Amino acid sequence: DQQVKQNSPSLSVQEGRISILNCDYTNSMFDYFLWYKKYPAEGPTFLISISSIKDKNEDGRFTVFLNKSAKHLSLHIVPSQPGDSAVYFCAASAKTSYDKVIFGPGTSLSVIP
Amino acid sequence: DSGVTQTPKHLITATGQRVTLRCSPRSGDLSVYWYQQSLDQGLQFLIHYYNGEERAKGNILERFSAQQFPDLHSELNLSSLELGDSALYFCASSVGPNNSPLHFGNGTRLTVT
Repeated sequence: DQQVKQNSPSLSVQEGRISILNCDYTNSMFDYFLWYKKYPAEGPTFLISISSIKDKNEDGRFTVFLNKSAKHLSLHIVPSQPGDSAVYFCAASAKTSYDKVIFGPGTSLSVIP
Repeated sequence: DSGVTQTPKHLITATGQRVTLRCSPRSGDLSVYWYQQSLDQGLQFLIHYYNGEERAKGNILERFSAQQFPDLHSELNLSSLELGDSALYFCASSVGPNNSPLHFGNGTRLTVT
C-alpha cells in the first residue's frame, strides 16, 4: 500500500519556466512533509519541508504548497534551471511516528536549456 | 558532501551469503536510518536507531538486522541473500529523533548473483 504517491514518473520543462511536481498521500495522520532531490550516484539531499499547520513554505526558487483537504502537495521551482535536473522525492511523516519517514517513488525532472 | 559515509560503495556476492554494510553518520547526529531502493521503486524505510537504541522498524526482513554502536556508527547485516535483495541501500542521519531533515550517504549498491 503506497502511502505517498508521485504519479508522474518524469517531467520535462524549458529552462526559465516553472516546474510543478505533484505528490498525493493517503494517510491522514501525516502532518510533516519534505522534498528531497537526488542526482545520479548520490544520496538524496533535503530541499524544503512544510508542516501541516501551514499551507505554503518558500525558500528561494522553491515553494511547497500543501492542500490538506485534498491530501495533496506540490513543489514549484521558478525559474527552472538545468542544474535542477534530478529525481525529486516527496516524503511524509506522522505525529505518531515522526522517525518513520515514508518516501514516494520519485519524479525525474529534466530542465531543457 | 552530506558528511554521511557509507562503505563499501559496491558489493557483489552470491545467493545464500551474508554481507555487512557500514554507515558513519554526520558529526553530531545521533540518529541513523536505513533505506532500501530497489529498481524502479522509491526509498523503503527499513529501520531507525537513535543514540544506540532501535526506535522504529519498517518493512525489514527477518534475514536483515542492524545495530548502532557506542561511537554512533551503524551496520546493516543482510543474511541468506536472495536475488531480490539486490538494491541500493542508503544510510541517513539526523540530529534528533523526530522531524529532523535526513542527510543521506551515497549508498551501497548490492548485487546478488
